[in-house]
Amino acid sequence: DVKVTQSSRYLVKRTGEKVFLECVQDMDHENMFWYRQDPGLGLRLIYFSYDVKMKEKGDIPEGYSVSREKKERFSLILESASTNQTSMYLCASSLLQGARGNTIYFGEGSWLTVV
Amino acid sequence: GNSVTQMEGPVTLSEEAFLTINCTYTATGYPSLFWYVQYPGEGLQLLLKATKADDKGSNKGFEATYRKETTSFHLEKGSVQVSDSAVYFCALKKTAGNKLTFGGGTRVLVKP
Repeated sequence: DVKVTQSSRYLVKRTGEKVFLECVQDMDHENMFWYRQDPGLGLRLIYFSYDVKMKEKGDIPEGYSVSREKKERFSLILESASTNQTSMYLCASSLLQGARGNTIYFGEGSWLTVV
Repeated sequence: GNSVTQMEGPVTLSEEAFLTINCTYTATGYPSLFWYVQYPGEGLQLLLKATKADDKGSNKGFEATYRKETTSFHLEKGSVQVSDSAVYFCALKKTAGNKLTFGGGTRVLVKP
């Protein structure tokens, strides 16, 4: 079974702190994604990566950056956390870009509260 | 751009009732369509998918048919159980890319 592991399930951080959310997948997937989930808004894509050191902005990249130094690991960085970044963050991964119907696998999510 | 619209919840049902969650989409070309389910406290799991028009995806008693003429992918289950209580997300993915576009999610609560 594919496993996408997010290092922290629950975090509480202060406004202005730098926050790292880590994600590791064990299936040698090329693509990795970071989404945030908010009530009524569904999931919105923050950033994705299709290869090591490659990244592309999603729909809501402002206030976030990412790092992909190794194929299995994709980190989401909040340079200076703000209260409007309180949310559930979901990491995901999938096989080759472009293949029709490729399943995207999700981690269990990280609940971040910024106070 | 691409978008997915699904009915707002919560949907509250009794056990063994029939469930329908409506989903319509806007997209260019021929996207693949998905239903994901999120059980309390967990991440998203793929429930079913369809990759071309008239395909029917099915899993765990749930079904959805890709209707290109009505741009819809409604989720149905004939007899729900308490364990089906979850949030259900409809999503699409265009052929040339791997980004999923999600609907807002529909919370379903099944009471015994």
